[in-house]
Amino acid sequence: GAVVSQHPSRVICKSGTSVKIECRSLDFQATTMFWYRQFPKKSLMLMATSNEGSKATYEQGVEKDKFLINHASLTLSTLTVTSAHPEDSSFYICSASPTGNVVGNTIYFGEGSWLTVV
Amino acid sequence: AQKITQTQPGMFVQEKEAVTLDCTYDTSDPSYGLFWYKQPSSGEMIFLIYQGSYDQQNATEGRYSLNFQKARKSANLVISASQLGDSAMYFCAISNFGNEKLTFGTGTRLTIIP
Repeated sequence: GAVVSQHPSRVICKSGTSVKIECRSLDFQATTMFWYRQFPKKSLMLMATSNEGSKATYEQGVEKDKFLINHASLTLSTLTVTSAHPEDSSFYICSASPTGNVVGNTIYFGEGSWLTVV
Repeated sequence: AQKITQTQPGMFVQEKEAVTLDCTYDTSDPSYGLFWYKQPSSGEMIFLIYQGSYDQQNATEGRYSLNFQKARKSANLVISASQLGDSAMYFCAISNFGNEKLTFGTGTRLTIIP
């Protein structure tokens, strides 16, 4: 079946550095992908919609300059956490659906990425 | 705006018993989809079951069934014959039909007791 792969699964970075997380659809094309953030023992909150070939759409309260999203191809979206701080430590997870999907039950999630900023 | 409410932060159930996880929703959209996901401690989101707002019958997937009551705006998940491996967080979510953007509830932590 369709698979969305996310990399890295775990990353530790120093405060002030940037870290990139990749979300890749392995056997389908996706014009949009979604990035969510989950704090420990909390729900998933949508951060932004990644649009292939155009700017991402950010949810209210999400800093677009801090969380850079690039969707350069129909199978890859990247989230870069710039100048990371300990409060950015969280679980980040992406989702995607095949382009043209009109049936809602084909939303696939990546494995998620645990980010720890020290 | 859409909203999902899950009122059970945690549940403990004896192995082999059935369990119902509650989910109520609010939306102004006439067409929408309701989802249930399982999240084990590893963090991955495992799709369990989907119900479209215009589906006449309740969705079923193996041991999972969705008790969809549209007038009451509820979409409870029923797990039959629970297993130890069912212990996890369970999230209910909603989206506009044809839109992959999901709004999640706060989740229910299910623990199956041997």
